[in-house]
Amino acid sequence: QQQVKQSPQSLIVQKGGISIINCAYENTAFDYFPWYQQFPGKGPALLIAIRPDVSEKKEGRFTISFNKSAKQFSLHIMDSQPGDSATYFCAASIGGSQGNLIFGKGTKLSVKP
Amino acid sequence: NAGVTQTPKFQVLKTGQSMTLQCAQDMNHEYMSWYRQDPGMGLRLIHYSVGAGITDQGEVPNGYNVSRSTTEDFPLRLLSAAPSQTSVYFCASGGLGRGHTEAFFGQGTRLTVV
Repeated sequence: QQQVKQSPQSLIVQKGGISIINCAYENTAFDYFPWYQQFPGKGPALLIAIRPDVSEKKEGRFTISFNKSAKQFSLHIMDSQPGDSATYFCAASIGGSQGNLIFGKGTKLSVKP
Repeated sequence: NAGVTQTPKFQVLKTGQSMTLQCAQDMNHEYMSWYRQDPGMGLRLIHYSVGAGITDQGEVPNGYNVSRSTTEDFPLRLLSAAPSQTSVYFCASGGLGRGHTEAFFGQGTRLTVV
C-alpha cells in the first residue's frame, strides 16, 4: 500500500503561471511533510517543509498548503520559471525525522518559456 | 564541507556478484539513510541508521545489508546482485531533533546489474 500518493505524474506550465502538485497520505502518525526538488543527475534537495500544526507555509514563490482533516497537502509554485523545471517529490515521516522519509512517486514539472 | 559523498558514481555488476556502495558525511549527522530511485517509483527507503551501531530496515530491505561502525560512514552491501537491483542509489544524512529539518542527499550511484 502506497503511503503517500502524489499527483499529477507530469505537469506542463507556461512561464509565469502557477504550478500545483498534490499529495495525500493515510498514516495519521505522520507529522513532518517536506517537499524535495531534484534536477537531472543530481540528488534531491529540500525545497520547503511543513508540520501539521500550521495550515500554510510560504517561502518566496513556494507555498505548502496543508489540510489535516483531509490528510492532504500541496505545493504551489507561483510565477513559475523555466529554472523550476525539475522533478518534485512530496514526503512524510513520523517523529519529525528526515532519516526515514516516505516519498511520493514524483511529479516532473516542465515550465515553457 | 563536502557534505554527503557517494562512491562509485557508476557501476556495472554481473548477476551474483557482490559489492559495497560507499557513503560518507562530514556534517556529524546522526541520521544516515539509503534510498533507491526507480523510474515512476519515487525514492524508496532501504535501510537507515540513527547513530553508530544502530540500523533499521526501511520499505525495501531485502537483498541489502548495512552497518554503521562510525558516525561518518554508512556502507550499503549487495551480497548477490540481481537485475532487479538495477537502480540509482542515494545516501542521505540529517541531524536529530526538531531543529533539524533537512535530509542532505549525495549525488547518487547508478548501478546496473546484467
